[in-house]
Amino acid sequence: DVKVTQSSRYLVKRTGEKVFLECVQDMDHENMFWYRQDPGLGLRLIYFSYDVKMKEKGDIPEGYSVSREKKERFSLILESASTNQTSMYLCASSLPSYNEQFFGPGTRLTVL
Amino acid sequence: DAKTTQPTSMDCAEGRAANLPCNHSTISGNEYVYWYRQIHSQGPQYIIHGLKNNETNEMASLIITEDRKSSTLILPHATLRDTAVYYCIVRVADSGYSTLTFGKGTMLLVSP
Repeated sequence: DVKVTQSSRYLVKRTGEKVFLECVQDMDHENMFWYRQDPGLGLRLIYFSYDVKMKEKGDIPEGYSVSREKKERFSLILESASTNQTSMYLCASSLPSYNEQFFGPGTRLTVL
Repeated sequence: DAKTTQPTSMDCAEGRAANLPCNHSTISGNEYVYWYRQIHSQGPQYIIHGLKNNETNEMASLIITEDRKSSTLILPHATLRDTAVYYCIVRVADSGYSTLTFGKGTMLLVSP
């Protein structure tokens, strides 16, 4: 089975802190994605990557950056966390020619 | 990508079939219909996808109308564990990187 793991289930940070969310997949997938999920807004794509060191902006990239130094790992970075970044963050991975995305369990981030 | 319309919520009795509708009247000829679901506090899970023929797997059946403007996801014998938000997504299946646009979905409540 494909396994996508995220570094934390719950995280509490203070405004202005730098935050790293880590995602690791074990199925050698080329594509990796970061979404955030908020009540009433559904899932929104922040960034995705289709290869090591490659990244593409999604629908809401402002305030975020990403890093993909190794194929299995995709990191989401909040350079200076703000309260409006309090959300559930979901990571996913997929093969390039197949649209099934496998999701991790999510990280619920609270910024105080 | 074509926009989808789903009911906000539906109820189903345990053991009965759950039929979840989705309208995608602006779907293009090369767009597939995908269904995902999200159980509370978990990441989304792929269920099934199709182009124009009906599809069935171990989880569900997908019925797509002949004009492809709507589809129905069928859970033949719903259980309490099928309580989740169900997302209908239309997307071009290409050979490169792929993204999914999640709407608000249908909250299915399965009751004893």
